[in-house]
Amino acid sequence: NAGVTQTPKFQVLKTGQSMTLQCAQDMNHEYMSWYRQDPGMGLRLIHYSVGAGITDQGEVPNGYNVSRSTTEDFPLRLLSAAPSQTSVYFCASSYSIQGSGNTIYFGEGSWLTVV
Amino acid sequence: KNQVEQSPQSLIILEGKNCTLQCNYTVSPFSNLRWYKQDTGRGPVSLTIMTFSENTKSNGRYTATLDADTKQSSLHITASQLSDSASYICVVSAGGSQGNLIFGKGTKLSVKP
Repeated sequence: NAGVTQTPKFQVLKTGQSMTLQCAQDMNHEYMSWYRQDPGMGLRLIHYSVGAGITDQGEVPNGYNVSRSTTEDFPLRLLSAAPSQTSVYFCASSYSIQGSGNTIYFGEGSWLTVV
Repeated sequence: KNQVEQSPQSLIILEGKNCTLQCNYTVSPFSNLRWYKQDTGRGPVSLTIMTFSENTKSNGRYTATLDADTKQSSLHITASQLSDSASYICVVSAGGSQGNLIFGKGTKLSVKP
């Protein structure tokens, strides 16, 4: 049981480059989301999805794009990387809406550095 | 403004000792409160989830309490082990269709031999 799988684990980008962080879950969860974690701050929601074909913005969506073509996958795209996007990114999934009592499972994180 | 405040920011204890981490929140409406453990370089892992009606929940050596009246929660770790060294994150859900989660900044616990 793989749970939530994120790739790559580490990535260095140059300013202006684009890339995609991959996230896949094998638990048939409807709800998936992306967070970023910065030093001295709590996790902040970037984008989330309540099911295939449905996505919405979180607290800090600027500079990021998502799509949800299947239940399993929820990639996060950085359109034109900026140094302010240097962070650790976590993908998460849960059976039901995140505000309910269902466990939220996190991936192992993707460390992104933009130079 | 919905906020989750954790204290202390960091804590060092000796192996075998007990400790208690605090979480105060100003979140409305309240749906549930979660504690997560995050090892260095890893993703957060769920320890407990408590709804409004639950005032205590255990997971092995971890016991979480919730006082919804005072909007306070604590995480008590019994007989600490070196593997308990991690950041512990309190997360409060404001409920609603978006399931708005408010994350605390975490308490970094170091257990020394």
